[in-house]
Amino acid sequence: GENVEQHPSTLSVQEGDSAVIKCTYSDSASNYFPWYKQELGKRPQLIIDIRSNVGEKKDQRIAVTLNKTAKHFSLHITETQPEDSAVYFCASLGDGNNRLAFGKGNQVVVIP
Amino acid sequence: DAGVTQSPTHLIKTRGQQVTLRCSPISGHKSVSWYQQVLGQGPQFIFQYYEKEERGRGNFPDRFSARQFPNYSSELNVNALLLGDSALYLCASSLRGEKLFFGSGTQLSVL
Repeated sequence: GENVEQHPSTLSVQEGDSAVIKCTYSDSASNYFPWYKQELGKRPQLIIDIRSNVGEKKDQRIAVTLNKTAKHFSLHITETQPEDSAVYFCASLGDGNNRLAFGKGNQVVVIP
Repeated sequence: DAGVTQSPTHLIKTRGQQVTLRCSPISGHKSVSWYQQVLGQGPQFIFQYYEKEERGRGNFPDRFSARQFPNYSSELNVNALLLGDSALYLCASSLRGEKLFFGSGTQLSVL
């Protein structure tokens, strides 16, 4: 089955700096890649997603880039704010598949 | 608009008991998926239902079962509970199984 790995497991950044989280996936047939944000004790919330026919997507301070050749995709958060502190999960969905495979998550801590 | 709703929010059971978790999807969503999230890990896929039919099953034992009703709500059943079943059980709905919207989950503790 699909294997998704996230790096680093924990990331601390100063408020206002950028944060980058990278995910790798194993199934070359994967074609949909979402990112979820989960605050402590809350539900995972979809923050951005990208399909395999697109290389980059932006939404305000958040962007996702996809490198299909290397089978990795990254989440970029610019001008980080304390409310960005959370666990971020990447996931992938294979073509014809019906289940998201999630990574183990990255703890992002924004230091005021 | 109401999001995905799950009940109960918390549940405490003892080993060997059975549990039923409930989920109501976002209005208009026909697909419901169930995920198990153990503390410190990402969600693990259990089941997906679309139009009341099972469309996928994850690597979980037969003690886990689910169904979807005509109104697209869903139940997850777990029999013969084990300590290792303690986790947050998340339900997610989507139009066709891709862009998932999660409920707040049911926190199950097995003692």
